[in-house]
Amino acid sequence: EAAVTQSPRNKVAVTGGKVTLSCNQTNNHNNMYWYRQDTGHGLRLIHYSYGAGSTEKGDIPDGYKASRPSQENFSLILELATPSQTSVYFCASGDATKLYAEQFFGPGTRLTVL
Amino acid sequence: GEQVEQRPPHLSVREGDSAVITCTYTDPNSYYFFWYKQEPGASLQLLMKVFSSTEINEGQGFTVLLNKKDKRLSLNLTAAHPGDSAAYFCAVSAPGNYKYVFGAGTRLKVIA
Repeated sequence: EAAVTQSPRNKVAVTGGKVTLSCNQTNNHNNMYWYRQDTGHGLRLIHYSYGAGSTEKGDIPDGYKASRPSQENFSLILELATPSQTSVYFCASGDATKLYAEQFFGPGTRLTVL
Repeated sequence: GEQVEQRPPHLSVREGDSAVITCTYTDPNSYYFFWYKQEPGASLQLLMKVFSSTEINEGQGFTVLLNKKDKRLSLNLTAAHPGDSAAYFCAVSAPGNYKYVFGAGTRLKVIA
């Protein structure tokens, strides 16, 4: 069954440390996305990708990098984690062959930066 | 860029009552609209997608109305039950733009 998976599901990091969140999709979708979810803000787009080797900045990219080494994998990297990056992070994949590119979401990663 | 305002942020209704959640958007080019449901601690599940102008879509126990003239999208739960308790999010995108803009969400509580 097609799916979007994320690892880790929970992460506690220290301020200034490096954090890598991983996402894997078996939907064979070209597009992938990273969002963060905070109370009162809904989901906000951090980075996205149109395919292997491509990354694009979303609406709130500061403090984050992304990497898309393959069709299936998309990583979000926090080089120097800060407490303000404590949040729930969702990855999604989207089928670019459809005009509406419906997005399918992973289960989320809860990140706490102390 | 597109901005989406979702109201109300919190909604509490009794079982069997109706519940209405509304999103207004600013970009007249927006064409694709989505409603997602998120249960506590879980991911987002697609409830319905709406593409056409002024349209009513009906699902299991809910109705979605899109009014492109007023740039308003609404989700109407016709007879809420406790299993509907969740957060609901609208999302909007434009043709060829594969990015969503989400509303801030509505936390719905259905009291038995």
